[in-house]
Amino acid sequence: NAGVTQTPKFRVLKTGQSMTLLCAQDMNHEYMYWYRQDPGMGLRLIHYSVGEGTTAKGEVPDGYNVSRLKKQNFLLGLESAAPSQTSVYFCASSPRGQNTEAFFGQGTRLTVV
Amino acid sequence: GDSVTQMEGPVTLSEEAFLTINCTYTATGYPSLFWYVQYPGEGLQLLLKATKADDKGSNKGFEATYRKETTSFHLEKGSVQVSDSAVYFCALSDKRNYGGSQGNLIFGKGTKLSVKP
Repeated sequence: NAGVTQTPKFRVLKTGQSMTLLCAQDMNHEYMYWYRQDPGMGLRLIHYSVGEGTTAKGEVPDGYNVSRLKKQNFLLGLESAAPSQTSVYFCASSPRGQNTEAFFGQGTRLTVV
Repeated sequence: GDSVTQMEGPVTLSEEAFLTINCTYTATGYPSLFWYVQYPGEGLQLLLKATKADDKGSNKGFEATYRKETTSFHLEKGSVQVSDSAVYFCALSDKRNYGGSQGNLIFGKGTKLSVKP
């Protein structure tokens, strides 16, 4: 089972460059999430989606955009990368409902120089 | 809003020692509670969960009991192994938070556990 797949796994960007991180899930989950993980900060929610075509801002949305054109994909875009966006990014998905667990991808390590 | 507070690490133990990682939560409703584990270089994976008061979640020798009276969900293991070295996250899920900036999943900041042989 593939579960949640993130691409790429590693990337180095120069300040001002743009890129898109792709998250794909094959579990037919309604909800998808993008988090960033920084040392000492735990996980911080960037954006999330409760269904195809809908997105919502999380705790730290500035500098990021997202799209959920297909149920199985959730894209995270950086229009103009900044060194402060150096982080490990995790995508997750979960079924509808409160008592269900979230499934995480392996992460994307992004460095902005 | 809802929140999760867990003990700060790092926690360093010798093999076969007893482990407790404290977790308390704030929620106005009746959330579900989770412990996730993150091994080095990997994403988070579910360790155990509890969906209502007095439920006990257990997996791989780890246990946690949903205590509504103390709003706690402490993680315990009787005898840790080197392979348990990881970062542990306490989390809650509250569907009433959909649409808000926290989303429905709220995580603590994580506790790094190192087990020495």
